Amino acid sequence: NAGVTQTPKFQVLKTGQSMTLQCAQDMNHNSMYWYRQDPGMGLRLIYYSASEGTTDKGEVPNGYNVSRLNKREFSLRLESAAPSQTSVYFCASRADVWGNQPQHFGDGTRLSIL
Amino acid sequence: AQKVTQAQTEISVVEKEDVTLDCVYETRDTTYYLFWYKQPPSGELVFLIRRNSFDEQNEISGRYSWNFQKSTSSFNFTITASQVVDSAVYFCALSGIIQGAQKLVFGQGTRLTINP
Repeated sequence: NAGVTQTPKFQVLKTGQSMTLQCAQDMNHNSMYWYRQDPGMGLRLIYYSASEGTTDKGEVPNGYNVSRLNKREFSLRLESAAPSQTSVYFCASRADVWGNQPQHFGDGTRLSIL
Repeated sequence: AQKVTQAQTEISVVEKEDVTLDCVYETRDTTYYLFWYKQPPSGELVFLIRRNSFDEQNEISGRYSWNFQKSTSSFNFTITASQVVDSAVYFCALSGIIQGAQKLVFGQGTRLTINP
């Protein structure tokens, strides 16, 4: 019963470094999401993928890229990390982007940019 | 525009007290869904409840209850006889159509602390 698995759980980067956050789900869900969580701001959507082969921008996409590698995996890449990207990142999946099912979340990746 | 407001940033009560977390939403959609998630100190997000816009029936699950009122655009969450294990950040979220796709919009969260 793994659900949504995110790696790594913690990471410290220097400004300008690049990094890819990995996310995989084993629930055969069609849609996947990346969020960032900052104090006092709730969760904000960075990018989402309604189905394999499609990706779209969310509320705060600048500075990020994503890849929906296959139905299971959805990665988030920081090409040139900036201190403003220090945050906790959550990946989520849902059976159908149009449905009313809840999103299932991974445990998060805590990322610090120095 | 879709928006969720949780005006209570932090709440602190003594164990066994009842506590209500407020959630007010804005949407122009006629069909939408509301959710509550719990984020305990360990950090994961746990789904608690989903309610669709056509079902205003209140729901009770053990010590938890939810009051959905379309007339006031509110979806409040009450914990009865609170326990220390209820300490967490609680998020209310709205699922609606944004830019042609159904997306979740979260409130800012309410940090609930239950003191022994």
